[in-house]
Amino acid sequence: EPEVTQTPSHQVTQMGQEVILRCVPISNHLYFYWYRQILGQKVEFLVSFYNNEISEKSEIFDDQFSVERPDGSNFTLKIRSTKLEDSAMYFCASSEAVTDYGYTFGSGTRLTVV
Amino acid sequence: GEDVEQSLFLSVREGDSSVINCTYTDSSSTYLYWYKQEPGAGLQLLTYIFSNMDMKQDQRLTVLLNKKDKHLSLRIADTQTGDSAIYFCADSSYKLIFGSGTRLLVRP
Repeated sequence: EPEVTQTPSHQVTQMGQEVILRCVPISNHLYFYWYRQILGQKVEFLVSFYNNEISEKSEIFDDQFSVERPDGSNFTLKIRSTKLEDSAMYFCASSEAVTDYGYTFGSGTRLTVV
Repeated sequence: GEDVEQSLFLSVREGDSSVINCTYTDSSSTYLYWYKQEPGAGLQLLTYIFSNMDMKQDQRLTVLLNKKDKHLSLRIADTQTGDSAIYFCADSSYKLIFGSGTRLLVRP
């Protein structure tokens, strides 16, 4: 069964450093998403991406965040200057259509900012 | 804004049925979903229901949708210890909005 792959599974970074979280969506999917889950809290939408541009973003997705599809397979989330409160599990997802019967999620990257 | 609410915790005995409830606010949702998250793992799509359906059955899982009351439920028949996890309902128009998750504990 096709999978969404995320790397690394766990990243520890110092406050103020830049991090890039990587995702390989399912190959025939056209819509890509990032979500985050702070420990013990709900899964929150960050951003959706289609046709090489952001289609929607949440209030959380401020200027320190950016997304990119640098080639035909990868989808990245960059956090420019990490803060302690960015510590969370970050999930990438992809779907074939914008309203779909099932977004496929990756297994997540646990980001710890120290 | 859009919101999805769930009860936080449910404890059942192995072999009993579990019913997890969810309410949502976005009446334009096309699909509503149930995801399962095991400890330290990602989000696994369990099942979904199209918004013009009332019920969907998928093996041990039954989803009921009351569109008038914006109420969604997931029934797990013959609950097993392996069903212990956090269950998230989610609605979508152009993105998924998740509830806070219901932690299901199955007692032997």
